[in-house]
Amino acid sequence: NAGVTQTPKFQVLKTGQSMTLQCAQDMNHEYMSWYRQDPGMGLRLIHYSVGAGITDQGEVPNGYNVSRSTTEDFPLRLLSAAPSQTSVYFCASRITGQAMNTEAFFGQGTRLTVV
Amino acid sequence: GNSVTQMEGPVTLSEEAFLTINCTYTATGYPSLFWYVQYPGEGLQLLLKATKADDKGSNKGFEATYRKETTSFHLEKGSVQVSDSAVYFCALSNFNKFYFGSGTKLNVKP
Repeated sequence: NAGVTQTPKFQVLKTGQSMTLQCAQDMNHEYMSWYRQDPGMGLRLIHYSVGAGITDQGEVPNGYNVSRSTTEDFPLRLLSAAPSQTSVYFCASRITGQAMNTEAFFGQGTRLTVV
Repeated sequence: GNSVTQMEGPVTLSEEAFLTINCTYTATGYPSLFWYVQYPGEGLQLLLKATKADDKGSNKGFEATYRKETTSFHLEKGSVQVSDSAVYFCALSNFNKFYFGSGTKLNVKP
């Protein structure tokens, strides 16, 4: 099992550019989510999805869009990159958001720098 | 609301020392509690979990007990190794979301 796969691992963007961070999981998990990790702030939830066709905002959604057309994929789009979006981004999945005792599985992360 | 507070690091210990990383939480309802570990350049991996009050989670010599009366989930290990050097995150799961603490970096010196 590949688990949760994120691409790319590293990316440098210029302010105003757009890009998509890819996330795919092969565990047939209903629930997928995106976090950003910043020093001293832990992981903050950007967007999440409880199933194909359903997405919702997390704690810090501004500047990011998501869609969930399939169970496997949950891409994160930056429409117009800003230096404040420099961060490490993690995608995670779990069997279902309704089962609170299930663990989340994380990808390896994407380190994004906006200059 | 839901939130997790954990002790700030870094924590520096000598090999074979006793480890405690404090974690307290605020939550509505009956959350599940988790400890995740992040090694350099990698994603988060589940270390242990507890799903109800008084449950003890354990793995790889680490353990933590879900204390509802003190809203705590402190991580302990009796004898740390250099290979335990990493960042440790306390987290709670409630309804559709995870809430993470800010992370505690552990450095273990030989």
